[in-house]
Amino acid sequence: AQKVTQAQTEISVVEKEDVTLDCVYETRDTTYYLFWYKQPPSGELVFLIRRNSFDEQNEISGRYSWNFQKSTSSFNFTITASQVVDSAVYFCALSDPNTGGFKTIFGAGTRLFVKA
Amino acid sequence: NAGVTQTPKFQVLKTGQSMTLQCAQDMNHEYMSWYRQDPGMGLRLIHYSVGAGITDQGEVPNGYNVSRSTTEDFPLRLLSAAPSQTSVYFCASSYSRRSATNEKLFFGSGTQLSVL
Repeated sequence: AQKVTQAQTEISVVEKEDVTLDCVYETRDTTYYLFWYKQPPSGELVFLIRRNSFDEQNEISGRYSWNFQKSTSSFNFTITASQVVDSAVYFCALSDPNTGGFKTIFGAGTRLFVKA
Repeated sequence: NAGVTQTPKFQVLKTGQSMTLQCAQDMNHEYMSWYRQDPGMGLRLIHYSVGAGITDQGEVPNGYNVSRSTTEDFPLRLLSAAPSQTSVYFCASSYSRRSATNEKLFFGSGTQLSVL
């Protein structure tokens, strides 16, 4: 069975601090996709990134970066120089390739508070 | 382009009542799914569909029914509402596997359901 664990329930930082959100996943499949989504206080779900299980390159997009390590089954997300607008709940997710890859399982989420 | 449309946005039910949450997408997506979001539990998959006429159970299917008679619509039915079904419900869709697999999920804006 697949599982996504986000051990950090809540994180509170002061603006301009760097913060890393942890994600550990379990799957027996060799092909899968990992995702991060953001849910700001307004409630909508916003896609941030998708990573193929065969691509372990780290990715940077502005202040966001992602570290994917198959050896530790982790897909961590770092926000550099955090801003108040980064305050949100962040979800890590894993897709199931046995359904064509569309069945997606989410972690419990990490609530990030960025204080001014 | 409307994307994924969910109705209603809010609903209050009494225990034992039935209702249908509507979900429609206009992006010709094959994959559609329903999630419920509860505090501390993230998004849990209720049911999903990989195409018209095909549905399957997710992590928490009990108490819910779905059908997929058209590509566009994927309604979620509560046959006899229970207080444990008080939650925020999200509908999501994704690209056709013929075009690009494992693209991001497109989410509706959510339905806040309270069962008294």
